[in-house]
Amino acid sequence: DQQVKQNSPSLSVQEGRISILNCDYTNSMFDYFLWYKKYPAEGPTFLISISSIKDKNEDGRFTVFLNKSAKHLSLHIVPSQPGDSAVYFCAARTDSWGKLQFGAGTQVVVTP
Amino acid sequence: DAGVTQSPTHLIKTRGQQVTLRCSPKSGHDTVSWYQQALGQGPQFIFQYYEEEERQRGNFPDRFSGHQFPNYSSELNVNALLLGDSALYLCASSPRTGGGQPQHFGDGTRLSIL
Repeated sequence: DQQVKQNSPSLSVQEGRISILNCDYTNSMFDYFLWYKKYPAEGPTFLISISSIKDKNEDGRFTVFLNKSAKHLSLHIVPSQPGDSAVYFCAARTDSWGKLQFGAGTQVVVTP
Repeated sequence: DAGVTQSPTHLIKTRGQQVTLRCSPKSGHDTVSWYQQALGQGPQFIFQYYEEEERQRGNFPDRFSGHQFPNYSSELNVNALLLGDSALYLCASSPRTGGGQPQHFGDGTRLSIL
């Protein structure tokens, strides 16, 4: 039962433009959402998170938006840089220490 | 400040064998979770350890077992290996207190079953 879904397996974007990654979920009990970035041969690195009581969280070039009614969240990267080329995972959890449930990931390629 | 460290980096086993993977959490973290990541998929939760006890478990058979030591390090054991156990095994740590900090991941152990 895949409760977190990333329906776009890949995204190609030009350097300097905006990257928008999408994530949908089905479990209304999720109260915390996270984005991780993964380079080949490395573990996932935490990027940004958002609590279910908020609808937006910003950290530098990264902004996460949460639409609870639509059970949808998105990650915006502005401006995109070549070092942003990686796989991005959306994850969610139902309690403060609990298991993370991940989407299948989106491969982002930033071209010059 | 060392992050999450895992050993070994790579491992090759044959069907039916047993394997032990090791994880040292990030300094200050007392909770360890294990995930399995198959090719082209997101990580799948195996189980979580806190205070040397398994606290949560995902949908994995009893062939998967674990242990946490007093220094918070952890082991993942898999018995009777199957070809389908070939995957990247990720360890993540987090502090139990502090309002739900994000989990920090190690670089994983790549397990190949022949």
